Amino acid sequence: DAGITQSPRHKVTETGTPVTLRCHQTENHRYMYWYRQDPGHGLRLIHYSYGVKDTDKGEVSDGYSVSRSKTEDFLLTLESATSSQTSVYFCAIRATGTENTGELFFGEGSRLTVL
Amino acid sequence: QKEVEQDPGPLSVPEGAIVSLNCTYSNSAFQYFMWYRQYSRKGPELLMYTYSSGNKEDGRFTAQVDKSSKYISLFIRDSQPSDSATYLCAMYDRNTGNQFYFGTGTSLTVIP
Repeated sequence: DAGITQSPRHKVTETGTPVTLRCHQTENHRYMYWYRQDPGHGLRLIHYSYGVKDTDKGEVSDGYSVSRSKTEDFLLTLESATSSQTSVYFCAIRATGTENTGELFFGEGSRLTVL
Repeated sequence: QKEVEQDPGPLSVPEGAIVSLNCTYSNSAFQYFMWYRQYSRKGPELLMYTYSSGNKEDGRFTAQVDKSSKYISLFIRDSQPSDSATYLCAMYDRNTGNQFYFGTGTSLTVIP
């Protein structure tokens, strides 16, 4: 258990509203990631963070922003949600000591529906 | 062409069967190869992790990497109904930063 908590776990919202998803970790790992998972596309990287206030874009970052003001929290914001952002969102961390290897540990997911 | 290709299945086998799951990839620079298991409505969990070519065994699971063919496999021996899940392969090149490449997943059902 990598100590990852995502909230909310489920959310239904309307097009045009802002949405923030939270990822919280308890073990002070440096690297945190946000992925979305959609049928036929697998897991796609939205944004990632390599430290407090240090973030970078992934392959599907349009329409998303992130913030990391504390080591333990990584927030994903949809400024104005669209139906194409209906998805399951996963937070992941890379455990300290594995920065040069390939092990990611995932949270339980946040299921977002945009009507 | 996708970086990683994985047959989505679904795959259905009787209990006790040997299961073979496979992925192909295009980037010869990948060094790290992972298999994740994902139960319905859960997050992926790391199952096996391999560096470079070769085999790695963990209980009923064996991961194989053939870098010359750009092909990786996961074998499950004596499959159990509890193995029913989606299996995702993933790959990583540490020289290019933080991009992990995932297959789309293979859905497996083991029938009692």
